[in-house]
Amino acid sequence: EAGVTQFPSHSVIEKGQTVTLRCDPISGHDNLYWYRRVMGKEIKFLLHFVKESKQDESGMPNNRFLAERTGGTYSTLKVQPAELEDSGVYFCASSPSGSLYGYTFGSGTRLTVV
Amino acid sequence: AQSVTQLDSQVPVFEEAPVELRCNYSSSVSVYLFWYVQYPNQGLQLLLKYLSGSTLVKGINGFEAEFNKSQTSFHLRKPSVHISDTAEYFCAVLNTGGFKTIFGAGTRLFVKA
Repeated sequence: EAGVTQFPSHSVIEKGQTVTLRCDPISGHDNLYWYRRVMGKEIKFLLHFVKESKQDESGMPNNRFLAERTGGTYSTLKVQPAELEDSGVYFCASSPSGSLYGYTFGSGTRLTVV
Repeated sequence: AQSVTQLDSQVPVFEEAPVELRCNYSSSVSVYLFWYVQYPNQGLQLLLKYLSGSTLVKGINGFEAEFNKSQTSFHLRKPSVHISDTAEYFCAVLNTGGFKTIFGAGTRLFVKA
């Protein structure tokens, strides 16, 4: 079974540019989550999809962040325009129905805004 | 709202010594508890989880954790660590009616020869 795939693994962009992160969850997992970890701090929730619908986007920092999940399959997280404080590691995770099974995480995208 | 506190940011320990990584949580409702491990350049992997039943749960790689409701703790233990256990460990909590898992700041375990 393929795991959760994220790309790019690293991205360095200038302040003001746009970056799009992609996540391919495990096939059949309805739940998809985005998390972010900044500078060794806690891993913070960004949002949760159930299939193609946003179940909870309470963790999205501001309207510069836009997440989509086309057809309930892969998801993208776009940051436009990027700011310095957006730097961090963005993790995607997926799970089957419910969260009791725990999540399967991708390896993350390390975003550096300079 | 829930929160998770991992009391140690770094724990150095010698190989074959026992280790305990501490985790406390706060929540006004019942919760499920998890430990995840992240090896260098990899994603987080589920180590073990407590959903209900026995308060002592066993996970992969010889780790175990004990849920203590009165102390709102879920400490992770291993009786004898290996060099390969060097990684970062995250405690996490999920309220029983929700979908959003809350993570702690992580504890870096360094196992020395």
